Amino acid sequence: DAGVTQSPTHLIKTRGQQVTLRCSPKSGHDTVSWYQQALGQGPQFIFQYYEEEERQRGNFPDRFSGHQFPNYSSELNVNALLLGDSALYLCASSLARDRGQETQYFGPGTRLLVL
Amino acid sequence: AQTVTQSQPEMSVQEAETVTLSCTYDTSESDYYLFWYKQPPSRQMILVIRQEAYKQQNATENRFSVNFQKAAKSFSLKISDSQLGDAAMYFCAYRSAFMTGANSKLTFGKGITLSVRP
Repeated sequence: DAGVTQSPTHLIKTRGQQVTLRCSPKSGHDTVSWYQQALGQGPQFIFQYYEEEERQRGNFPDRFSGHQFPNYSSELNVNALLLGDSALYLCASSLARDRGQETQYFGPGTRLLVL
Repeated sequence: AQTVTQSQPEMSVQEAETVTLSCTYDTSESDYYLFWYKQPPSRQMILVIRQEAYKQQNATENRFSVNFQKAAKSFSLKISDSQLGDAAMYFCAYRSAFMTGANSKLTFGKGITLSVRP
């Protein structure tokens, strides 16, 4: 049973560039959530995708956008990178129709460094 | 908005001993879920234990158990017979029960770094 996978594992970008991070959910899951985790902090919710639509969004600017594909995989895009975007980006998947029982399973994350 | 507070940034425990990690939360909702996640240096966030607020019985998973005090809005994690592999960062998280299906975001605390002394 494949767990949540993310790519790439590490990424270095410079200010102003754009980046795309990818996530494949756990087998059987249909919902993907993205979190940003700054060093030494807890994860902060960015947004959640279900049925290829953004269903919920945290307090992040429009520079952060995403997409979900028909196979439930997802991308996180960040435009006009700032130094403060340096963080670990975590993807979590869950099963939406498992109402009340949704537990989010996390991937290993992508470490983004903005120089 | 809900908040989760973990006021102890670091804790240490002797191997085979018991340690308790504290967490408090603030919410106006009556029904919700609470979680403890473990994040080892490998970075992968692993679910340790889950508690449903409407259940009075404290959740238990092998060496891990919680003390859920709903009135006090407290949710502590007890690790018994600590092992070297328990060393990690532990996060307490909250999810509203009214946000089901595709609206199930987690709100995390800042985490506690647990070290285990051999």
